[in-house]
Amino acid sequence: KQEVTQIPAALSVPEGENLVLNCSFTDSAIYNLQWFRQDPGKGLTSLLLIQSSQREQTSGRLNASLDKSSGRSTLYIAASQPGDSATYLCAARNQAGTALIFGKGTTLSVSS
Amino acid sequence: GAVVSQHPSWVICKSGTSVKIECRSLDFQATTMFWYRQFPKQSLMLMATSNEGSKATYEQGVEKDKFLINHASLTLSTLTVTSAHPEDSSFYICSGKTGETQYFGPGTRLLVL
Repeated sequence: KQEVTQIPAALSVPEGENLVLNCSFTDSAIYNLQWFRQDPGKGLTSLLLIQSSQREQTSGRLNASLDKSSGRSTLYIAASQPGDSATYLCAARNQAGTALIFGKGTTLSVSS
Repeated sequence: GAVVSQHPSWVICKSGTSVKIECRSLDFQATTMFWYRQFPKQSLMLMATSNEGSKATYEQGVEKDKFLINHASLTLSTLTVTSAHPEDSSFYICSGKTGETQYFGPGTRLLVL
C-alpha cells in the first residue's frame, strides 16, 4: 500500500529565501505525482504534476523534481514571499485511474 | 482548469441526524469521483471511489452504511453522512477525474454537535 511522507512538517523562513520541501513514497511504481497548495480552511490548488516518465516540472518560482528509483520528490520554491505561506501537499497516484494518495503536508510560514 | 463545486460549504447539525453533501463537476464529465476526509492538521484520507452508475468502492475502515455515496450522473455525486456523531466532524473534499487529472472541490466543513 502506497504511503507518502513529507518532511519537515512545518517550516518557517524569512522572505527571500530559497527552500526545499521533501516528499517520499514507499511504492516507486507510481503513475504520477502532484504537488498542491492548501490555504487554511480552504480546498486544494494544484501546483505541479509530474508524470512517471518526467524528472521535473517548473512553473514560475516553483520547481518539482521526481526520482522514482529513490522514491523521492522535492518542491523547490525560489525567492519565497509571505504569500507563499500555506500548507503544501504531495500526492502520488499508483496507477492510471486510481485516486491520489496524500502526504500530511508541510506547513510553510514566510515572514516579511 | 475544470471546476468542481461542493454544497454546502459549511454545515452544523445535531448528533443523530443525516447530512447530504453534493459534489458537482461544472464544466466536465467526471466518470470517476473520489471522496476524501481531512481532520485538523492531518492530510486528506481517501474514503471512497465512485464510478458513475456503479456502487462506490470504500477504503478499509470506512463504513459504507454510514457514508452513503451516490454517483447518479456524470456531473453529480453525493455523500450522505447518516446518523452523524461528533467524531464525524471533519472537512470533506470531493474530486472529479477527467482523463488522468483530478480536480478538487472547495470542501465542506461538517460540525456535529
